[in-house]
Amino acid sequence: QKEVEQDPGPLSVPEGAIVSLNCTYSNSAFQYFMWYRQYSRKGPELLMYTYSSGNKEDGRFTAQVDKSSKYISLFIRDSQPSDSATYLCAMSALGYIPTFGRGTSLIVHP
Amino acid sequence: GAGVSQSPSNKVTEKGKDVELRCDPISGHTALYWYRQSLGQGLEFLIYFQGNSAPDKSGLPSDRFSAERTGGSVSTLTIQRTQQEDSAVYLCASSSRRENTEAFFGQGTRLTVV
Repeated sequence: QKEVEQDPGPLSVPEGAIVSLNCTYSNSAFQYFMWYRQYSRKGPELLMYTYSSGNKEDGRFTAQVDKSSKYISLFIRDSQPSDSATYLCAMSALGYIPTFGRGTSLIVHP
Repeated sequence: GAGVSQSPSNKVTEKGKDVELRCDPISGHTALYWYRQSLGQGLEFLIYFQGNSAPDKSGLPSDRFSAERTGGSVSTLTIQRTQQEDSAVYLCASSSRRENTEAFFGQGTRLTVV
């Protein structure tokens, strides 16, 4: 079993839909949880970072961490075609290098 | 510069040749990471630098791969005797923290070995 599991998709949704992207993990020591967005032929760009459990909101994006279930989510409200990209989750324990998921390809069609 | 800069953007090389990939991190970032991303795959960790030292080289796939960092800034990833399976996008990231919680990535170097 990989430390971080992420469905590669693709996930195709209509414009305006609420998108839910998820990752599961096995290492209970993980405390830092990140979401990156990667457009085609570009490097990943940090979207959100959460420490420990709870929710964090930034505009149309909400990150949730459920440490009891070892499950993290990224919600995108009112999705736009410009949100079409690959979304990678990453997580790390204190003092350790982060581990990345494979990424989920999201397509938002007009 | 304002961001992480990598060069070249694209590199096509013949099998068996050596290649050097360069990363200029954000000024002041002490942590620097190299990753490899193959088509449809996630990020494969290669090596981590804290300052000029590399406390974690565990991801380097073989002894054909090496990396160095000088002056706590620029890093070079060298691949000797390239093989076709080395074809991938090589990404560099820098951060002010080891946990990479606010890492910034370069645009990557797309390496093709023919």
